[in-house]
Amino acid sequence: DTAVSQTPKYLVTQMGNDKSIKCEQNLGHDTMYWYKQDSKKFLKIMFSYNNKELIINETVPNRFSPKSPDKAHLNLHINSLELGDSAVYFCASSQVRTSGGGTDTQYFGPGTRLTVL
Amino acid sequence: QKEVEQNSGPLSVPEGAIASLNCTYSDRGSQSFFWYRQYSGKSPELIMFIYSNGDKEDGRFTAQLNKASQYVSLLIRDSQPSDSATYLCAVTEYGNKLVFGAGTILRVKS
Repeated sequence: DTAVSQTPKYLVTQMGNDKSIKCEQNLGHDTMYWYKQDSKKFLKIMFSYNNKELIINETVPNRFSPKSPDKAHLNLHINSLELGDSAVYFCASSQVRTSGGGTDTQYFGPGTRLTVL
Repeated sequence: QKEVEQNSGPLSVPEGAIASLNCTYSDRGSQSFFWYRQYSGKSPELIMFIYSNGDKEDGRFTAQLNKASQYVSLLIRDSQPSDSATYLCAVTEYGNKLVFGAGTILRVKS
């Protein structure tokens, strides 16, 4: 069973369009994330949600809007796509570590390669 | 944002040798440190995590942490061609936010 899944795997679209990427995790984790990996392979966090609540919102254009309908899902909607949005977008999830133990390791989905023409 | 620095490489080692990957970080408050491996076109996969100063071994992999020097390293013993990949060092900040280095490309030559 896939732990963190994303759809679609590839997304090719025209500038100005609106698109969504979906992410689901079946690990029972309470926190989910969106990362962007650009052409130079630099991986940078965009958002994170803990139990459906936004806790990290990096300096990302407000054309990007995450939505978490429940703690197993975190979707990313992008309005008015621009050429610079072309990248690979990774979803990840983790269980926040408590003082009693556990790990805050983040597990990544397979990625969505977005190409804006 | 705090920084995580890695030598981009490529680091080339012969098969069977020890590969040594290094990483420095700027946030003294960081508590968790991770090494991820990423093959071309694939997602990052966890190799090791370390929380305490010292060494942590897992099979052919050893992670080393020195919080005073703000330094994390990954040693890969008996390197195999299948170890050829980009290795990403990552450090957690507030809110379990992971800050990644730019990655080191490792090439193991048979």
